[in-house]
Amino acid sequence: AQKITQTQPGMFVQEKEAVTLDCTYDTSDPSYGLFWYKQPSSGEMIFLIYQGSYDQQNATEGRYSLNFQKARKSANLVISASQLGDSAMYFCAMREGWSTLTFGKGTMLLVSP
Amino acid sequence: GAVVSQHPSWVICKSGTSVKIECRSLDFQATTMFWYRQFPKQSLMLMATSNEGSKATYEQGVEKDKFLINHASLTLSTLTVTSAHPEDSSFYICSARTREARSEQFFGPGTRLTVL
Repeated sequence: AQKITQTQPGMFVQEKEAVTLDCTYDTSDPSYGLFWYKQPSSGEMIFLIYQGSYDQQNATEGRYSLNFQKARKSANLVISASQLGDSAMYFCAMREGWSTLTFGKGTMLLVSP
Repeated sequence: GAVVSQHPSWVICKSGTSVKIECRSLDFQATTMFWYRQFPKQSLMLMATSNEGSKATYEQGVEKDKFLINHASLTLSTLTVTSAHPEDSSFYICSARTREARSEQFFGPGTRLTVL
């Protein structure tokens, strides 16, 4: 079974609008971390936001927020006020305990003017 | 954030040759380094995990004799693709992590390998 599921291969959004990228995860480990990375066409992986399994509040980093619903095992990324530069591939990832990151298949986001 | 560099950023080589890719953590000590490969329009697939001073742990299906990993110091890991073939052409990304439990993984910019 996949540990990280991103069901949206691609998403379109208009500039200045908000967009939600879906991510669900599967783990039996009570201690885990959830990450979102952005990968533009240049290939570099850019860390966006982190949510720990014991964190009580949803993580926020500027225009990025993580909608963490633990019971549903979902960790959706919300990007507010989209910008053209947000067009990229977005990966959700999970780390269980001290293990390494497991990545989802990614969502390609295209922001139009 | 912390910086991880990779060298070279791209390389083209002939089939049968070996290629070495370096990964350096520039401003922190990386106790653990990871090597990923990424085919076009696909996700990152972990190849191996290496801790400084010990042998790398390879993921299932990754040939350790083909992909040699050396993590000789807390700031340097190398991946050598031995006797490269066209099917080894891919984007190779290294990542580094420190000891802290909540430490994010810092990624290098990647190396694009093309084997002719």
